[in-house]
Amino acid sequence: DTEVTQTPKHLVMGMTNKKSLKCEQHMGHRAMYWYKQKAKKPPELMFVYSYEKLSINESVPSRFSPECPNSSLLNLHLHALQPEDSALYLCASSQDRLAGARREQFFGPGTRLTVL
Amino acid sequence: GQNIDQPTEMTATEGAIVQINCTYQTSGFNGLFWYQQHAGEAPTFLSYNVLDGLEEKGRFSSFLSRSKGYSYLLLKELQMKDSASYLCAVRDRGFKTIFGAGTRLFVKA
Repeated sequence: DTEVTQTPKHLVMGMTNKKSLKCEQHMGHRAMYWYKQKAKKPPELMFVYSYEKLSINESVPSRFSPECPNSSLLNLHLHALQPEDSALYLCASSQDRLAGARREQFFGPGTRLTVL
Repeated sequence: GQNIDQPTEMTATEGAIVQINCTYQTSGFNGLFWYQQHAGEAPTFLSYNVLDGLEEKGRFSSFLSRSKGYSYLLLKELQMKDSASYLCAVRDRGFKTIFGAGTRLFVKA
C-alpha cells in the first residue's frame, strides 16, 4: 500500500463551525505533514509530526490544531476559520524526517476547503 | 533567507525536449526533489538528487550542481499529459522541505 488517503475530499464550513480533516497512511512512515496550498502557489508547510510528536509548527494560527493519534493517522482540527483559510489542504508522509536516503514525501489527494 | 527560483511558465511542443531550471539559496542542503502536480491534484514525486550529477529515470532526468545551487529537470519525448506544474523543492539543514513556486509547463500539439 503506497497511498496516503484524506477525508473529506471537499468541505464547506461557516466561520463558527468546528470540523476535522483526516489523513491516513499504512506505509510505516514515521513523519507526517500538513500543507496548505492556494491556487497557483506552492504548498506551504504548516505542521510536521515525527514519531507522533509535533516537531515543526510554522507559526500557524491556533484556529488550526493538529493531532497525531498514532503513527498511521493525522488529523487537523478546524475552528473559527476565516474566508482566507479557503485552500487545498494536503497531507504527506515520508519514511523519516531526518537523514539518510531520499525520503521523498508521498502526498494525499487533499481536502478542498471553502470557508464561507 | 530561503529562496528557490524557477521560471513561472514554459511552453513546448509534443515530442520535443524541455529543460526546467531551478536555482536555490537555502540554509544548508540535504537533497533536492522534483515533483509534478496536475491542476487540482496532489504533487507526485519525480526525482531526487543529493550528489552532483545527472539522475536518469525513463523520460525524465534531473541534474544537480551543489556548488552553483542549481538543478534542472529534463523531460524528453514530451507528451500532452506532461502539461502540469513542476515543483523544485530543497531539503534544508533542518530537514525541512521548501518548495519553489513551480513552473507551469504547457505542451502543445
